[in-house]
Amino acid sequence: DAGVIQSPRHEVTEMGQEVTLRCKPISGHDYLFWYRQTMMRGLELLIYFNNNVPIDDSGMPEDRFSAKMPNASFSTLKIQPSEPRDSAVYFCASRGTSGRPAYSYNEQFFGPGTRLTVL
Amino acid sequence: AQSVTQPDIHITVSEGASLELRCNYSYGATPYLFWYVQSPGQGLQLLLKYFSGDTLVQGIKGFEAEFKRSQSSFNLRKPSVHWSDAAEYFCAVGAATGTYKYIFGTGTRLKVLA
Repeated sequence: DAGVIQSPRHEVTEMGQEVTLRCKPISGHDYLFWYRQTMMRGLELLIYFNNNVPIDDSGMPEDRFSAKMPNASFSTLKIQPSEPRDSAVYFCASRGTSGRPAYSYNEQFFGPGTRLTVL
Repeated sequence: AQSVTQPDIHITVSEGASLELRCNYSYGATPYLFWYVQSPGQGLQLLLKYFSGDTLVQGIKGFEAEFKRSQSSFNLRKPSVHWSDAAEYFCAVGAATGTYKYIFGTGTRLKVLA
């Protein structure tokens, strides 16, 4: 398996522009997570999906951020309009549960991240 | 409040020396515990995890961790550090049931001296 795939790996944009980050989870995984990593705040969970449905978006910083998962193999995180304080590394992670015993806890597998710089 | 504390922001050790990275957690439910490693410019890779049973768990790359419920700790250890272990290490806690969210610590950056 190719693992979790994210694109682009690097994005540089100007304040006010729309930014779209993309993620392809591991095939067969039914959970998808979006994280943001900054020096000041560390790793923060923004939102997660189960079977393509958003379950918890309490970490989304504000209405400028939105995430979708139109199907089991693709998710996007959109920032519109972007601001310099959105500069961070954004990670996508996926997790599978099907076929596992109830007592097992499957770990999250992380993608390589997208480094976003907003000028 | 639920939290994970990694009290050491930076640690420097000599190659071949032993290593212990500290992790303390505060969690209301039965915790599942994880250690991840992040090399520069890379995503996070799971080193090991603890669900239940034997409180000493073995992971990849020669790492191990010990769960101590009485101390709310899950410290990561390695008997002999290699230069390639230089990276940032994150402790995380997740719920045994219900939400599958992790709470991450702030990380410990490890530097290895040749």
